[in-house]
Amino acid sequence: GAVVSQHPSRVICKSGTSVKIECRSLDFQATTMFWYRQFPKQSLMLMATSNEGSKATYEQGVEKDKFLINHASLTLSTLTVTSAHPEDSSFYICSARRETYEQYFGPGTRLTVT
Amino acid sequence: RKEVEQDPGPFNVPEGATVAFNCTYSNSASQSFFWYRQDCRKEPKLLMSVYSSGNEDGRFTAQLNRASQYISLLIRDSKLSDSATYLCVVNINTGGFKTIFGAGTRLFVKA
Repeated sequence: GAVVSQHPSRVICKSGTSVKIECRSLDFQATTMFWYRQFPKQSLMLMATSNEGSKATYEQGVEKDKFLINHASLTLSTLTVTSAHPEDSSFYICSARRETYEQYFGPGTRLTVT
Repeated sequence: RKEVEQDPGPFNVPEGATVAFNCTYSNSASQSFFWYRQDCRKEPKLLMSVYSSGNEDGRFTAQLNRASQYISLLIRDSKLSDSATYLCVVNINTGGFKTIFGAGTRLFVKA
């Protein structure tokens, strides 16, 4: 399978600060990447679809000004959680989609906002 | 009605048992289908793609019935290491591809 990395794997930050998470597809070029969040014992929830060279498409209820997404190259997408609050604490997972439509997931970033 | 529905689970089975997971989808524009597994506090990992002709990978067999809009995953001779949540995933072509995840079915394999 393909390899997708995510950094950092774990981050603890104070309320009001911003956190940037990077997602890289290491062995293929991904025109489309996705950002998900997952709360304990719940399903993955799609936050946004990130398309290289264009604006991200956000799912209903996801604030685009709070969750800034940049897909500057075919191998890198970043998610910035701005002015983080404790309720933003979650497991954030990115994925990259191949031309054959399989998605490969990064290992996730566990965000804790204190 | 959810676009992708799975057995609610959890399934508790002994080692060596055969386990069947069922999944139905509602959108006829669904074009590609996958099974993923997700271990606790880890990311989902692609288990296998699902084709109309059916496909097998070792102890795992996946089937797709487009007429019934139904997908299945069969695990034979289950191992302790098969314990995980199994996610049914469907790509829908709505002018651009949209991926829908089922809620997942938790499997516990016990010695």
